[in-house]
Amino acid sequence: GAVVSQHPSWVICKSGTSVKIECRSLDFQATTMFWYRQFPKQSLMLMATSNEGSKATYEQGVEKDKFLINHASLTLSTLTVTSAHPEDSSFYICSARGTSGREYNEQFFGPGTRLTVL
Amino acid sequence: GDSVTQMEGPVTLSEEAFLTINCTYTATGYPSLFWYVQYPGEGLQLLLKATKADDKGSNKGFEATYRKETTSFHLEKGSVQVSDSAVYFCALLKVYNQGGKLIFGQGTELSVKP
Repeated sequence: GAVVSQHPSWVICKSGTSVKIECRSLDFQATTMFWYRQFPKQSLMLMATSNEGSKATYEQGVEKDKFLINHASLTLSTLTVTSAHPEDSSFYICSARGTSGREYNEQFFGPGTRLTVL
Repeated sequence: GDSVTQMEGPVTLSEEAFLTINCTYTATGYPSLFWYVQYPGEGLQLLLKATKADDKGSNKGFEATYRKETTSFHLEKGSVQVSDSAVYFCALLKVYNQGGKLIFGQGTELSVKP
């Protein structure tokens, strides 16, 4: 139980284009989803926290107009990297948190999306 | 603020060696503590957890004990295998505060040689 998927698992795009990454909780309702960014050989950096039906809360230094987050349902959150540039190339990981029990007391991670911007 | 500090890697061991990866934390209140493992090119997998002082989490031969007196949650395994080669992250979570944010250590890379 408590499975989180991400799509796509990897994407290559041209500079200036936008890329959307989906994060889905497959078997529980995720009231809160988190988006992380990870550079090679580094830890996870929290980008933003999204709660279903409300605006995301961005961490300091993260451009909200650059990284658009939508959490329109209890099982889906999307991260759109707008006007992507090579410096946006990274590994993006989402996690989800539910409303009760084990799903509330932990975060459950997706497998990650590798974004490469040419 | 709250933080997690892990021993720096990379840690290189021979197969069947004993493993310890140190983790200490700074936090107010009563956080839950976690160890996650990340294999190359993959996301994070929960390895084990402990939710209160003196709890011992264990999984796949790995163990860690929540020590409030020393604010530590060191990861141990008696006999490592090549397949244990990965990056290990220690993390804390305050379930009822900060929206359930996880605070990660910097990660420790483990390489096990045959």
